[in-house]
Amino acid sequence: GAVVSQHPSRVICKSGTSVKIECRSLDFQATTMFWYRQFPKQSLMLMATSNEGSKATYEQGVEKDKFLINHASLTLSTLTVTSAHPEDSSFYICSAISGAINEQFFGPGTRLTVL
Amino acid sequence: GENVEQHPSTLSVQEGDSAVIKCTYSDSASNYFPWYKQELGKGPQLIIDIRSNVGEKKDQRIAVTLNKTAKHFSLHITETQPEDSAVYFCAASIKDDMRFGAGTRLTVKP
Repeated sequence: GAVVSQHPSRVICKSGTSVKIECRSLDFQATTMFWYRQFPKQSLMLMATSNEGSKATYEQGVEKDKFLINHASLTLSTLTVTSAHPEDSSFYICSAISGAINEQFFGPGTRLTVL
Repeated sequence: GENVEQHPSTLSVQEGDSAVIKCTYSDSASNYFPWYKQELGKGPQLIIDIRSNVGEKKDQRIAVTLNKTAKHFSLHITETQPEDSAVYFCAASIKDDMRFGAGTRLTVKP
């Protein structure tokens, strides 16, 4: 199947700093990528839908100024958590759609810990 | 919007037994139903999927059934093995709008 990578896999930062997470589709072009957040023992929560070359669409309750998403190419989307606080600590997962068959492939996730 | 419910939330079986996880969805327009396996600290991995024009699909020990009339679909794992232990998520999708169930933590006891 298609491969999606995320970097970094784990990051620890101080409160108030910004953290950038990269999501790449390695062997296919992804016109649409998604960013999810997952708290321990909970399901995936969609944060935003990222389309190449256009602004991301954020889910209700997700602050677009805090979670900046850039989808500059068909293989790369980035999520920047600005002015991170301890409550932003979570597991962030991206996914990308392959082709026109709406099949999503997920990245391995990024564990963010804000001290 | 679409609402997906998943049961049970936890499931413990003996190695070699079968495991069944059930999901219901609310939007009859949903046409794609994937199942994901998520191991601790990793992203979800697609294990099997089914589309609305098919009633059943099987891949070795894993099978999925879909009842469009009742709007429910199920994951069946036969001859379970300890390595099947993980959290399983169902999802229902219309185009690129995918909604997930709450997940089922499956434990296979050796």
